[in-house]
Parts: sequence; structure tokens; C-alpha cells
Amino acid sequence: QVQLQESGPGLVQPSQTLSLTCSVSGGSIGAVGYYWSWIRQSAGKGLEYIGRVYPMGGTDYNPSLWSRVAMSIDTFKNRFSLDLRSVTAADSAIYYCARLKVPSAHGVFDIWGQGTVVTVSS
Amino acid sequence: DIQMTQSPSSLSATVGDRVTITCQASQDISNSLTWYQFKPGKAPKLLIYGASTLEAGVPSRFSGSGSGTDFSFTISSLQPEDFATYYCQHYDNLPYTFGQGTKLEIK
Repeated sequence: QVQLQESGPGLVQPSQTLSLTCSVSGGSIGAVGYYWSWIRQSAGKGLEYIGRVYPMGGTDYNPSLWSRVAMSIDTFKNRFSLDLRSVTAADSAIYYCARLKVPSAHGVFDIWGQGTVVTVSS
Repeated sequence: DIQMTQSPSSLSATVGDRVTITCQASQDISNSLTWYQFKPGKAPKLLIYGASTLEAGVPSRFSGSGSGTDFSFTISSLQPEDFATYYCQHYDNLPYTFGQGTKLEIK
């Protein structure tokens, strides 16, 4: 059974970079038919898709965040990461990592992590 | 971006009730719609994809229907463990977007 677990600091200072990692257990992050995603949930904007990273390292980002986001994947350590630059209080949210099952160009988030709370504050 | 309008935002019901949630897309998304269940402190759970296909292991009291722009999600007989928040989400194109959620509470 594949499981995902987010990790990273719960408090980030304004204008700094938020960095999170999602560790995948019970299966290979390089498995065919899956991409890996980040989603966040805030009181102000609800659930927001951040982007996805492919096993070979390619990425797609939400245009609303693309100028500040970077995602990467480490197939050796079976984990993937999110960096969000120049954060403000509006970036305070629960951040979820999720597996995106893609039978075609698009798919569904079939497995999620429990989420990690990130607060942007000085 | 495609806007997903979900209603109601909250719903009070009792065990055994039949409840229905609706989700409307701002443009035709065919059947590229999912429903998720969120509970505090737990990993969200995929319930339905393709608008009406039940994810493996999900009880048959959950169902979904619709295509194009109008969709619905039904729980035929509420169980105590079903009190949670439910979200629809489209995956027709990028960026994927979600409805605002429906919080299902005990009456």
C-alpha cells in the first residue's frame, strides 16, 4: 500500500522560501502511470492545485504560482519536493502531496498525504 | 481556469438519511470529475472518478452522476463515519480546480 508523508518546517518567515518534501513508501516513485503533485488548502482560497512533477523530472505548474514554484523528484530516495519562493501570509495553508494517477494526459489524485500546516509569519 | 461551483456549502443530516451534493463546471468537462472526502488530520480519500466510477474499496452507498457541466454526488444511507467535508474537482485540463466543499454535519 503506497503511502505519502509530507515533511518540512511549520513556520516560514515572510519573503523566504517554503521547502517541503514528500516521502513515498510502499511503492516506487518511478512507477509508470503516475505523476506526483502538491495541493494546498487555505481558508481564503480553498483547495488549490500547485503543480505536478513527472518521474523523469518534467513539471507543470499552476499559472497562478508558476513564477515562484519549483518542484523536483529524487527517484533514488523515493521522494519529491516543493519550493515556493518569496512567501507571504497568503501562502499559509495546509500543504498536501498526492499521487496523480494518469491513464492519459490527465488523471486523479488517488493517494494523498495527511497534509502539513505551514504558517508564514515573522 | 474552469470554475467549479459546489452546493450546498453545508448540510445537516442524520444517520440513515439520503443526501445529495451538486457541482457545476463553468464549461464542458465531459466526465472528468472526481469526488473526495476530507476529514481533519487524515489523508483525503478519493471516492469517485470519471463522474460515476467508484474507487476500489469505497462502499456502494456512495454514487456519482452527470456529464458536461452538471454533476451530483449521493450518499444513499448516511453512516456515522460519513460526516466529513466533500469536494468535487475537475481534471479536464490544467490547472485542476476544486469546488468550495460541502461540510456534512450531524443534525
